[in-house]
Amino acid sequence: QSVLTQPPSASGTPGQRVTISCSGSSSNIGSGTVNWFQQLPGTAPKLLIYTNHQRPSGVPDRFSGSKSGTSASLAISGLQSEDEADYYCAAWDDSLNGSFVFGTGTKVTVL
Amino acid sequence: QVQLVQSGSELKKPGASVKVSCKASGYTFTNYAVTWVRQAPGQGLEWMGWINTNTGNPTYAQGFTGRFVFSLDTSVSTAYLQISSLKAEDTAVYYCTRAVDIEGYYFDYWGQGALVTVSS
Repeated sequence: QSVLTQPPSASGTPGQRVTISCSGSSSNIGSGTVNWFQQLPGTAPKLLIYTNHQRPSGVPDRFSGSKSGTSASLAISGLQSEDEADYYCAAWDDSLNGSFVFGTGTKVTVL
Repeated sequence: QVQLVQSGSELKKPGASVKVSCKASGYTFTNYAVTWVRQAPGQGLEWMGWINTNTGNPTYAQGFTGRFVFSLDTSVSTAYLQISSLKAEDTAVYYCTRAVDIEGYYFDYWGQGALVTVSS
């Protein structure tokens, strides 16, 4: 059972902007940094955003992350067909001796 | 270039054991922890814990104590996940990742995953 809550699905047409939310608490997002991962069908997850808003080399600037309080969000602007994937937020949780927690995941569909 | 290459798929019977390997290359193995992440069929990602590649000290997440063991062979830059007394609910893809600890933790490189199927 994940402690980070995401909407199960999101969708948009090519070119649109899609935003995914990630709701946590003071023991995880509220006290640390957030990462986002993209998982294309049948592949391993890939780091998309780290430390709330940083993009690894090679990740298009269409992807942006932000954090406010105990929530975070991932925005995809100029949606493209290849963005159809599952997206997960993640953060360190200080409760229960500390552990890394992933969000429930959001399936993005490009209509 | 950084790579994590995992061993192949395994089909095991309930009660058996399995050992998944994760060979790292392209960086100094002992400079970064290795984490393990489980993904059951059609489900999300679950952090299993990690191992300090400098000291060999493992940390297990809740729900992954007892039957799960993380180990290393630093001479060949390889991390291992061993699962004993396998159950049907252990059927999943197991990923190893490299963990970075700079302004918070993040997992920047992932193995391709190893599918473990437990079935009689």
